[in-house]
Amino acid sequence: DTAVSQTPKYLVTQMGNDKSIKCEQNLGHDTMYWYKQDSKKFLKIMFSYNNKELIINETVPNRFSPKSPDKAHLNLHINSLELGDSAVYFCASSPRGQGMYAEAFFGQGTRLTVV
Amino acid sequence: QKEVEQNSGPLSVPEGAIASLNCTYSDRGSQSFFWYRQYSGKSPELIMSIYSNGDKEDGRFTAQLNKASQYVSLLIRDSQPSDSATYLCAVKSGTGGGADGLTFGKGTHLIIQP
Repeated sequence: DTAVSQTPKYLVTQMGNDKSIKCEQNLGHDTMYWYKQDSKKFLKIMFSYNNKELIINETVPNRFSPKSPDKAHLNLHINSLELGDSAVYFCASSPRGQGMYAEAFFGQGTRLTVV
Repeated sequence: QKEVEQNSGPLSVPEGAIASLNCTYSDRGSQSFFWYRQYSGKSPELIMSIYSNGDKEDGRFTAQLNKASQYVSLLIRDSQPSDSATYLCAVKSGTGGGADGLTFGKGTHLIIQP
C-alpha cells in the first residue's frame, strides 16, 4: 500500500507545453512538499504546503504553481515548459504534528524530460 | 543561506569494512538531522535521524552529531555491496513551525567493493 504516490512516473513533453504532476499521500500527514532533483542529483525544496496552505515558496519561477485540493493531495502545474525544467520532481509528506523532528517521506518521483 | 556540505565521492570501501560518511551544515539553528539513502533511479529513503549531540545506533548504522562543530556523520559497519548508493545528509531548521522542508547536501556516492 503506497504511502506517497505520484503520477505520472515519466513525462516527456515539448518546450512551451503545460503539464501537471499529481501527488497523493495516505499517511494522514499535514504537510506536503515538492522537491526538484537536477541532473547533478542535487535535491532542493520548491514548495511546502500545510493543511492546504502554502508555507514556503523557495525561489521558483512563477511558471510553477502548486495546488492542494485537500491535505492528502498536492499537485504541481508547470506552464510554458523550458529545457531547464528537465529534472526529477519528488513529492514528499511529513507529520507536522511532530514539529521540527518530523522526517519527510518521498514519493517515487516523476522524471520530466523537456525536448 | 542554509548550506549542507558533503564530499561527493565516490567513496570506495571494501566489503565488511566500516564506511564513514561526513556532513557539515551552516545554520546553527538547525535542530534535526537525517541521513537518506538513494539508489540510482529511486527515491530517497530515510535510514537514520538524530536530534541531540552524541551517537545513535540502529543495526549496522550509527549516526553521530556534534552541534558545536556543526557536524553530522554516518557510520556503516560490516559494509555490504547492497549498501552501494548515494547517501544524502539533510538538515531541518528550527524555524518555520515544523513546516520547513529539508535542506539537502549533494550526497556522497558510496561504493562497496566485493
